[in-house]
Amino acid sequence: DTGVSQDPRHKITKRGQNVTFRCDPISEHNRLYWYRQTLGQGPEFLTYFQNEAQLEKSRLLSDRFSAERPKGSFSTLEIQRTEQGDSAMYLCASSLEGGDYTGELFFGEGSRLTVL
Amino acid sequence: GQNIDQPTEMTATEGAIVQINCTYQTSGFNGLFWYQQHAGEAPTFLSYNVLDGLEEKGRFSSFLSRSKGYSYLLLKELQMKDSASYLCAVSNYKLSFGAGTTVTVRA
Repeated sequence: DTGVSQDPRHKITKRGQNVTFRCDPISEHNRLYWYRQTLGQGPEFLTYFQNEAQLEKSRLLSDRFSAERPKGSFSTLEIQRTEQGDSAMYLCASSLEGGDYTGELFFGEGSRLTVL
Repeated sequence: GQNIDQPTEMTATEGAIVQINCTYQTSGFNGLFWYQQHAGEAPTFLSYNVLDGLEEKGRFSSFLSRSKGYSYLLLKELQMKDSASYLCAVSNYKLSFGAGTTVTVRA
């Protein structure tokens, strides 16, 4: 396992369509995070999972966004009825939490969404 | 919530030293991270501080003062490849990032 992988790397869609992104974390990592990043900004937290449980979801996150992590392995992020403001890079990251571990996040290369 | 401030841009000459400051206000604190992000790429880990003081890692050092809500990242012997965005992030069971500081290294 060489790291966090995300698919697709690029997605162009028309406004109103649904899109789904997939993230495969580092296999032994129990935490998985989704972030969104726009040009000139730092990553903005969306949600995170501890194993299969979704522990926190950003209050800024619209109901059009939903994330799952069945069986505590890969995760999907779905955006329904996309809007132009959803255009961004969607970053997935994973970490190993527990004990004294520092919780360093390992990021995937991201999925870039363009909504026309 | 979290409030993290860092300068937007900095420019320095190859071989020089640059210090990127970060101030934060947080409702919880489990540590402070610095990440490097080249244009179009994912952030990569640089350093982590949980106790006050200086952590040195080759050409990069990071300092933390929890009482002041302050950290800095020091980049020494700058190289052209150090041109990137540097992200300050506070950990409270998740990482909250600042907007990033774009460092441009000139020959």
